Amino acid sequence: ETGVTQTPRHLVMGMTNKKSLKCEQHLGHNAMYWYKQSAKKPLELMFVYNFKEQTENNSVPSRFSPECPNSSHLFLHLHTLQPEDSALYLCASSHDPGLAFEQYFGPGTRLTVT
Amino acid sequence: GENVEQHPSTLSVQEGDSAVIKCTYSDSASNYFPWYKQELGKRPQLIIDIRSNVGEKKDQRIAVTLNKTAKHFSLHITETQPEDSAVYFCAGGGGTYKYIFGTGTRLKVLA
Repeated sequence: ETGVTQTPRHLVMGMTNKKSLKCEQHLGHNAMYWYKQSAKKPLELMFVYNFKEQTENNSVPSRFSPECPNSSHLFLHLHTLQPEDSALYLCASSHDPGLAFEQYFGPGTRLTVT
Repeated sequence: GENVEQHPSTLSVQEGDSAVIKCTYSDSASNYFPWYKQELGKRPQLIIDIRSNVGEKKDQRIAVTLNKTAKHFSLHITETQPEDSAVYFCAGGGGTYKYIFGTGTRLKVLA
């Protein structure tokens, strides 16, 4: 699969588990994003990274910890999650970090917290 | 806070009819307005976008109009087909509050 890839595609975890979501983009983009998509809610921007530096944290709880080792890879580390954190987590990238350009989305990770 | 309102939340049209989805934004600094289509179980994908220096843009059966004064923009799909059935999201980008998505419209095209 080309473009933006995410692993795993599905994840079930207990509230005391620690897991990580991985995103990789093969488009040569400079900016990467994490979004949360819940039923009947708008896509919620969680984190923005420009050239590996975090530039946006939309008041996300500390149980979500992002990591961006380089412009092509983005991780979301999860620990002590709550059932309401169950959602589809989408990674995206764009060429320009100005958030005024098309975003390319990955297929998402469907997370279920039990 | 800043937001983007999208209406309607669901829309059913007969095949061949037109569909219109409307969005209103509050951040006057927004200058980029994309529309994404998300088919069931798939990722959102851009179908058309417009910048604040343009009032209308068209791509085959899809068009977007922007009214900066009223701060609203609309997606128009003509001659709808069953494959147009999906959830459509508008967004306001490039403004003070970054990329904000609308709540989505579930479009059903009835054959």
